[in-house]
Amino acid sequence: AAGVIQSPRHLIKEKRETATLKCYPIPRHDTVYWYQQGPGQDPQFLISFYEKMQSDKGSIPDRFSAQQFSDYHSELNMSSLELGDSALYFCASSLSGRAGTQYFGPGTRLTVL
Amino acid sequence: GNSVTQMEGPVTLSEEAFLTINCTYTATGYPSLFWYVQYPGEGLQLLLKATKADDKGSNKGFEATYRKETTSFHLEKGSVQVSDSAVYFCALSDGQGGSEKLVFGKGTKLTVNP
Repeated sequence: AAGVIQSPRHLIKEKRETATLKCYPIPRHDTVYWYQQGPGQDPQFLISFYEKMQSDKGSIPDRFSAQQFSDYHSELNMSSLELGDSALYFCASSLSGRAGTQYFGPGTRLTVL
Repeated sequence: GNSVTQMEGPVTLSEEAFLTINCTYTATGYPSLFWYVQYPGEGLQLLLKATKADDKGSNKGFEATYRKETTSFHLEKGSVQVSDSAVYFCALSDGQGGSEKLVFGKGTKLTVNP
């Protein structure tokens, strides 16, 4: 079965650089979520999109932005990167109305040097 | 706000031992409850879920029952295997405001020794 695809899997950036993370949801899923997981931490919700519109926003820094495109893939754009942005970034997708069951991608490991 | 509290780890067991990982929650309304598992270097995999009181979720020998009266969703397995070594996250989704974002507990690291 098709799963959530994230790219790249690993990314190394310098401070103050920008990064773009991509997410391709499971086909026919209409909702995408982004989470950030720091080392040894639980995942924290950043932002979500339903049918290409932002549906909820969590603890996402103003330096980050995201969008969902017409083909339902989503991109998380991160600017002015800081050391503290080093984390695993997960994308998850779901079919709305399915009791919140989200399927996660393998994650993008971002390292900021 | 909504929150999930898990028993602190790490938990170390011998193969074939009984496993319990406690999870309690605080939420407005009637959330859906989940257990996700994260193997080393991998993403989160849905292990099981329950969407209403007294529902029992089960998968791969793991079980958890949605207890509204005690606001709990404890994970159990009768006989663990080395391959069960992973980090286990309890999570809830309350669907408030049309959002089904997940709120996670801190995670419990399980190590199973041969």
